[in-house]
Order: sequence, then structure tokens, then C-alpha cells
Amino acid sequence: GDSVTQMEGPVTLSEEAFLTINCTYTATGYPSLFWYVQYPGEGLQLLLKATKADDKGSNKGFEATYRKETTSFHLEKGSVQVSDSAVYFCALSEHGQNFVFGPGTRLSVLP
Amino acid sequence: GAVVSQHPSWVICKSGTSVKIECRSLDFQATTMFWYRQFPKQSLMLMATSNEGSKATYEQGVEKDKFLINHASLTLSTLTVTSAHPEDSSFYICSAPTSGSGDTQYFGPGTRLTVL
Repeated sequence: GDSVTQMEGPVTLSEEAFLTINCTYTATGYPSLFWYVQYPGEGLQLLLKATKADDKGSNKGFEATYRKETTSFHLEKGSVQVSDSAVYFCALSEHGQNFVFGPGTRLSVLP
Repeated sequence: GAVVSQHPSWVICKSGTSVKIECRSLDFQATTMFWYRQFPKQSLMLMATSNEGSKATYEQGVEKDKFLINHASLTLSTLTVTSAHPEDSSFYICSAPTSGSGDTQYFGPGTRLTVL
């Protein structure tokens, strides 16, 4: 079945550092790919998405590019802030139905 | 953007009692909603797919008689945890796709259930 793998956390960075969270997937078809963020005590919020190969999703300074050849969707941000501290989930969905989530990566940004 | 709400946001109950959690789509209709369970510091696991007007579809290993799902209308799905036990304590999250947004899912804020 479909699956998502992402780098294990926690990831601890200083403010203004560069962030990369790796995500790779396996899927039988051509899924859409997502990054969701979960702040402490809250539900999931959509951060960005890409629906086909070579698409780049971006939001709030975060970016991820759908790489079909490497089955990857790595999340990047050039300069993180303390307010970016959260858990980040990579996910895929085929046909907009069942979502498959990665295990989540906890990010802590220190001032 | 689309909003999905859940009620209650947290609940504490005694072992053996039943707890109902509501999931509402506030500004759109959802013929399908999804229920997830999240253990501490872990990812979301799909429990079941709630279908308006028909029976829910449960994932393998999820007891349908324990986790009752009712999709009463196009904006409301309920999850009832029957005869709750401490091992049912978890964070329950619902989601719903919106038409016209491709395959984006919007998630509720979650309900934290603690069974004593």
C-alpha cells in the first residue's frame, strides 16, 4: 500500500537557520502531496500542497517541490522563526480520499 | 477558507461510559468525512470513513461496534466511543474534503479524550 516516510525528529534549530525536512513516498498511482503543520494542542493545518510532478507548493516562506523521479517532497524554509516550532506531517492522497501520513517531525526553533 | 469544527475539544469520562464527538463542516457540505486517531507524539491513523446516508467504512483493526459513526447530515458526522476504557484515551481528529478545492482535506481542531 501507499506509505510516507519522513525524517525522524526532533529537529532543533536556531532562529534564522535554514530548514529541510525530508519526505519520501511510495504510491501505486499519482498522488497529491501535502505538508500539514500541527501547533501544540491544536489540530492539523494545511501548510502547502502539490498535485502533480514538478509542482512547487509554497506558503509562509515554506516550499516543497513534487519530485516524481525521486518520489520526494522535501520541505524547506530559508529562515525559520520561533513561531515555526510545531510538528510537521508529510502526507499523500490519491483521488482526494484516504490520506496517508508520515510519522511527523517535531521542530523546535530557539531564539 | 473552509472550516471544520469539533465538539467537545476535550472530554474526561469514567471507564464504561460512552462519549459522543461531533464533527461539523461550517461553511460547506461534506458527503464524506474521515475520522483519525492520534496517539501522543505519533502520526494520525485513519479509523473510518463516514458516508452521508450510508454506513461508515472502517479500517482494518478498528472495532465498528465500539466506535459508532453516524453521518446524520451533509454537515455533521458523529463518533461515539462506546464503553470507553483507558486505552481509548487519545486525540480524535476529523476531516472533510471540499468540492472545488481539488483533493484538499480540512481538519477539525481535534478532541482529546481521557478515560479514567
